[in-house]
Amino acid sequence: AQTVTQSQPEMSVQEAETVTLSCTYDTSENNYYLFWYKQPPSRQMILVIRQEAYKQQNATENRFSVNFQKAAKSFSLKISDSQLGDTAMYFCAFMRWRSQGNLIFGKGTKLSVKP
Amino acid sequence: DGGITQSPKYLFRKEGQNVTLSCEQNLNHDAMYWYRQDPGQGLRLIYYSQIVNDFQKGDIAEGYSVSREKKESFPLTVTSAQKNPTAFYLCASSLQRGTVDEGEQYFGPGTRLTVT
Repeated sequence: AQTVTQSQPEMSVQEAETVTLSCTYDTSENNYYLFWYKQPPSRQMILVIRQEAYKQQNATENRFSVNFQKAAKSFSLKISDSQLGDTAMYFCAFMRWRSQGNLIFGKGTKLSVKP
Repeated sequence: DGGITQSPKYLFRKEGQNVTLSCEQNLNHDAMYWYRQDPGQGLRLIYYSQIVNDFQKGDIAEGYSVSREKKESFPLTVTSAQKNPTAFYLCASSLQRGTVDEGEQYFGPGTRLTVT
């Protein structure tokens, strides 16, 4: 069974600085996908970024980028130029290839951006 | 505006009563999902449906039931058999293509269910 581990329950960062959230996963599969979701205080889950395991290039979306290390089974999220609106729970998620959308979530990291 | 609606936002029930949570989407997505979120936990999959009139159990289906009679609707019933039903429930939908798009799920605002 696949598992997703987020080892940092809480983190804080000053506005405009950079922060990295950690995620590791355990799988014997070779084909899979990884995601970071954000859940702000409103509790509306929003996809931040996604990565296909077969792609070596790390995904980026504006201020958000990932460091995908397939051999180490690591998938960290870097947020640059942090903004107050980035304050949220961040969940790392794993999806096996052809698993019909069955996402496996980590327990989340609560990020606070301080002015 | 396209999206997912869940109603109500807060729901209170007495122990022993069944309760149905509503989920509607107008994104024309084939796949729909129900998740449960507890404090300090990630989301856990209850049920999912890839097509009308078909659905599969997720990791924690015991005590829950669903139906998918229309593409737009995927209601979840929390039965009296669910031992610890108080939680935050999230509905989601996605394209169904057998690709990474299935993991790009669009979520509703959630329903907070409290059973006393």
